[in-house]
Amino acid sequence: SQTIHQWPATLVQPVGSPLSLECTVEGTSNPNLYWYRQAAGRGLQLLFYSVGIGQISSEVPQNLSASRPQDRQFILSSKKLLLSDSGFYLCAWSATPGTDGAGNTIYFGEGSWLTVV
Amino acid sequence: GQNIDQPTEMTATEGAIVQINCTYQTSGFNGLFWYQQHAGEAPTFLSYNVLDGLEEKGRFSSFLSRSKGYSYLLLKELQMKDSASYLCAVMDSNYQLIWGAGTKLIIKP
Repeated sequence: SQTIHQWPATLVQPVGSPLSLECTVEGTSNPNLYWYRQAAGRGLQLLFYSVGIGQISSEVPQNLSASRPQDRQFILSSKKLLLSDSGFYLCAWSATPGTDGAGNTIYFGEGSWLTVV
Repeated sequence: GQNIDQPTEMTATEGAIVQINCTYQTSGFNGLFWYQQHAGEAPTFLSYNVLDGLEEKGRFSSFLSRSKGYSYLLLKELQMKDSASYLCAVMDSNYQLIWGAGTKLIIKP
């Protein structure tokens, strides 16, 4: 079966410091990978998605970046965090369109709580 | 523009039935999803509808009417652990998920 893990689970970072969140998927190959952010009491905002190694699409202009160095690894980074970057970050995966009978269901990792102080 | 509407908050009693509605306007349609999200946790997949009608999974059922741009999630025999936010999401013609803001369901004993 497929599993997804992301880390760290929580972190408190000062303004201007760098960020690195990692996510790995097991039990599948060539997944679509996603980074979402959820601000307190608000909906999910898609930040980045990737359909393959080195292929990253950005949905929202910001000081964050994403990379996919391996097929099942997705990394969210920032060189200098802002207070507004605080939130709940979620990595997710789905099968390649057309290969999942349940319509390419998205499955989420455990989430990472980021507080920028 | 693309839009998903669902109530912000609902309250129900333990043991009762509750229906959470979702209406949508999207560019194309490739399915509708319901997720459950407990406070402080990641969303978990509940159901998927792509054809009109009712899909039943134990105490949870999800209904879809594509012509009306409407879905509902029905929860029966409510338990305290069902207290959570319920997220409606629609996959558009580009296979991108459009998310609703979620409905916070409060269960009272």
